Amino acid sequence: QSALTQPASVSGSPGQSITISCTGTTSDVGGYNYVSWYQQHPGKAPKLMIYDVTNRPSGVSTRFSGSKSGNTASLTISGLQAEDEADYYCGSYTSTNTLVLFGGGTKLTVL
Amino acid sequence: QVQLQESGPGLVKPSETLPLTCTVSGGSISGSTFYWGWIRQPPGKGLEWIGSVHYSANSYYNPSLKTRVTISVDTSKNQFSLKLSSVTAADTAVYYCVRHGDRGLWVSDFWGQGNLVTVSS
Repeated sequence: QSALTQPASVSGSPGQSITISCTGTTSDVGGYNYVSWYQQHPGKAPKLMIYDVTNRPSGVSTRFSGSKSGNTASLTISGLQAEDEADYYCGSYTSTNTLVLFGGGTKLTVL
Repeated sequence: QVQLQESGPGLVKPSETLPLTCTVSGGSISGSTFYWGWIRQPPGKGLEWIGSVHYSANSYYNPSLKTRVTISVDTSKNQFSLKLSSVTAADTAVYYCVRHGDRGLWVSDFWGQGNLVTVSS
């Protein structure tokens, strides 16, 4: 099954807000509130930032928020900081045999 | 705080079996509701879920890898393991072991640091 679709890159200046999209189908993103977001700095393991579309794990900054509309989930980072520069991946449950899908990743550049 | 640590070879020959072990500390694999899994990332590419296991040995696998993958649990050592058979260059990747939160397999709340495995003769 194809991966979820994310833009290859996004950029923003410090203090601004950016949004990263993650588009799937009714079998995954659109059909369930089971979308997660991960942040990955170069050479490091991914870190869970959002789960079940909108929930933040303990310790994750409130500048990170998630939402969903139809088959597209979104991660919004407000008050952009230099340390936010990283790759971001979405993940979702899928009702197909694959069970778990990831997006191709989005590189965030803080200008 | 749960910590995971992968161990295994950094180089595997084509057609051989890739073996990796994940040692869990700060929490017990047995008696918990969590699943424990493996996710890989080819160099410069995205994430791919490989499969996951419960301490009861119940497991789920990505259909694209299912015929070549075995994930098992050793509760006495608080470890779980991955075996990927008949490897090719396409299996070259960083392999991460993860804990899935109690929400389900789509949530990986704790990750190991990763183990780069290169498939080459």
